[in-house]
Amino acid sequence: DTAVSQTPKYLVTQMGNDKSIKCEQNLGHDTMYWYKQDSKKFLKIMFSYNNKELIINETVPNRFSPKSPDKAHLNLHINSLELGDSAVYFCASSHRAGDQPQHFGDGTRLSIL
Amino acid sequence: GENVEQHPSTLSVQEGDSAVIKCTYSDSASNYFPWYKQELGKRPQLIIDIRSNVGEKKDQRIAVTLNKTAKHFSLHITETQPEDSAVYFCAASTWTGNQFYFGTGTSLTVIP
Repeated sequence: DTAVSQTPKYLVTQMGNDKSIKCEQNLGHDTMYWYKQDSKKFLKIMFSYNNKELIINETVPNRFSPKSPDKAHLNLHINSLELGDSAVYFCASSHRAGDQPQHFGDGTRLSIL
Repeated sequence: GENVEQHPSTLSVQEGDSAVIKCTYSDSASNYFPWYKQELGKRPQLIIDIRSNVGEKKDQRIAVTLNKTAKHFSLHITETQPEDSAVYFCAASTWTGNQFYFGTGTSLTVIP
């Protein structure tokens, strides 16, 4: 059983399109996250979502919007995709925010043409 | 906010030698320090973690040490093997915080 699963694994699309990445965790965790990993391998936090409280990294453009239908799901919707959005996006979850291990999904490699 | 610095950015060692990666943090309230290993094309995976009430933790060939006074913590890998080759990330967080503050990563290459 995959603990944190993301779909799709690969996403290739044209500039200007809108796309979504889905994430589900079956660990019973209360907190979920989205990270962006660029070509330099930096892991940049985009959002954390805990008990319906959304914490946004202020550097994330408002073209990115997380949506959580329930505690086990945190999807990422991206509007008007740009070349600079090309990266690997990781979803993660933890028992609670703060000092608990985070479990990562396998990542979604987004390529913008 | 917290600032985590990680050194070196790249590290090459001969198989069987030891590898040490160091991280410093700025927020004295940080109390949880995990280490993640990311193999090429894979997800980051937790390999070891330490909390601020402990100075050292060991799990087979890997160990982590924490110096709260100096605000630094280190990952030690002994008897390195080619499969240890990966990018390693340190992180720091607090009990009341909302996120991990990750270091910039160390690319470790173990030469057979």
